[in-house]
Amino acid sequence: AQKITQTQPGMFVQEKEAVTLDCTYDTSDPSYGLFWYKQPSSGEMIFLIYQGSYDQQNATEGRYSLNFQKARKSANLVISASQLGDSAMYFCAMREGLRLRTGTALIFGKGTTLSVSS
Amino acid sequence: GAGVSQSPSNKVTEKGKDVELRCDPISGHTALYWYRQSLGQGLEFLIYFQGNSAPDKSGLPSDRFSAERTGGSVSTLTIQRTQQEDSAVYLCASSLASGRTQYFGPGTRLTVL
Repeated sequence: AQKITQTQPGMFVQEKEAVTLDCTYDTSDPSYGLFWYKQPSSGEMIFLIYQGSYDQQNATEGRYSLNFQKARKSANLVISASQLGDSAMYFCAMREGLRLRTGTALIFGKGTTLSVSS
Repeated sequence: GAGVSQSPSNKVTEKGKDVELRCDPISGHTALYWYRQSLGQGLEFLIYFQGNSAPDKSGLPSDRFSAERTGGSVSTLTIQRTQQEDSAVYLCASSLASGRTQYFGPGTRLTVL
C-alpha cells in the first residue's frame, strides 16, 4: 500500500484564487512529520511547510497552510491568493519515527501539477 | 548562505560506462541523503549518510550503485556499468544532524544512451 497518496495529477486555478492540494498518508507510527515541497520546472525541490504529528495547530507559512486532519490521515496544502509563479509540481512527503531516530528518509507521493492562469 | 550544490547538472553517458555524481551539502549539515526521481518510479530514497558513515543504504537498487562521503561534507554517488533504466534525476538533500527538514540541491539529470 502506498504510504503517501496524492489523488490529483493536475489542478488548474486562476490567479488570486485559493487552491487545495490533497494528500493522505498511511502510517502506524505515532511520531511522524508531514512535508510539502514545490518543484518548479527548473527541478529544484523547495521546502514549503511542515506539520508534526503531535502539533496541535495547523501549520502556516505565508500564503501556505496545511489542513491537518489526523483522524482522517490527511494533510492537504492550501495556497491562498495563487500567483503565476505558483505553477509547479507539488509533493507531499512523510518522515516516520521522528522522536526515535534521526536520518529517516522522506517518503514521497506522486505529486500534483498546479497550473495557475491569469 | 549557500544551498546544496550538485554537479554536473546534466550527464549523458553510454550504456556500460561508469558515472560519478557529486553533492556538496549546506555547510554544517551532517546528514546527507540521495534520492532518485524517475518518471516511472517517482521519488525514491537511495542512501543516507550521517557524517562519513552510511547507516541506511536500503534504497540502493543494485550493487552497481555505491556512495561515499569524505570529511563529513562532499558525497559522491557512483553508478557502475550504467543501464538505460538508470536514467533519472538524482537529487541530494542535507539537514542538520537532528534536523527535521531536508534541503535539496538542483539535481543531476542522468541520461544513459
